[in-house]
Amino acid sequence: AQSVTQLDSQVPVFEEAPVELRCNYSSSVSVYLFWYVQYPNQGLQLLLKYLSGSTLVKGINGFEAEFNKSQTSFHLRKPSVHISDTAEYFCAVSEVGRQLTFGSGTQLTVLP
Amino acid sequence: EPEVTQTPSHQVTQMGQEVILRCVPISNHLYFYWYRQILGQKVEFLVSFYNNEISEKSEIFDDQFSVERPDGSNFTLKIRSTKLEDSAMYFCASSEIAANYGYTFGSGTRLTVV
Repeated sequence: AQSVTQLDSQVPVFEEAPVELRCNYSSSVSVYLFWYVQYPNQGLQLLLKYLSGSTLVKGINGFEAEFNKSQTSFHLRKPSVHISDTAEYFCAVSEVGRQLTFGSGTQLTVLP
Repeated sequence: EPEVTQTPSHQVTQMGQEVILRCVPISNHLYFYWYRQILGQKVEFLVSFYNNEISEKSEIFDDQFSVERPDGSNFTLKIRSTKLEDSAMYFCASSEIAANYGYTFGSGTRLTVV
């Protein structure tokens, strides 16, 4: 069965600082990996996805993530955050043809 | 950009009442899903739907829940007799290809059972 662990429930960071949100997954087969963002009182927006190919994936809003198969990780990074990046970030995994399984989320708070 | 539309955005209902949550998926998508998020908890899979039938469902999706695609555009989730613990944000999603390319989620319906 597939599962996702987001290691940090809360990440406070100052504006213009870099940030990394950690995600580890578990699956016995090949998976697809996703990061979604949820702004307050809004739905889930796809930030980026890894399906195959290059392990470094670039998404919207300057975010990127790196797939590391040996460490079963898919950490999300941004070199310089803005106040507007304050949101809940969810890592998700799906085995081929299966539904998405989400992690518990990381609340990123960008401080002025 | 195409969107998944959910209505209503917020619904309050009395315990024991039936509710229907409505979704209009993206027009060329073939796979449809319902997820829910209880306040402060993770997003949980409820059900997936393809070719007019349920393709997968979770343990949460018991006999109180049903889904339907009554016409060519709508996708509904019905809860027959709501319980307090059904209070949550319900997200509809659709995808062109099953799961592989990521879903497009709607903005959600906040269901409050009182």
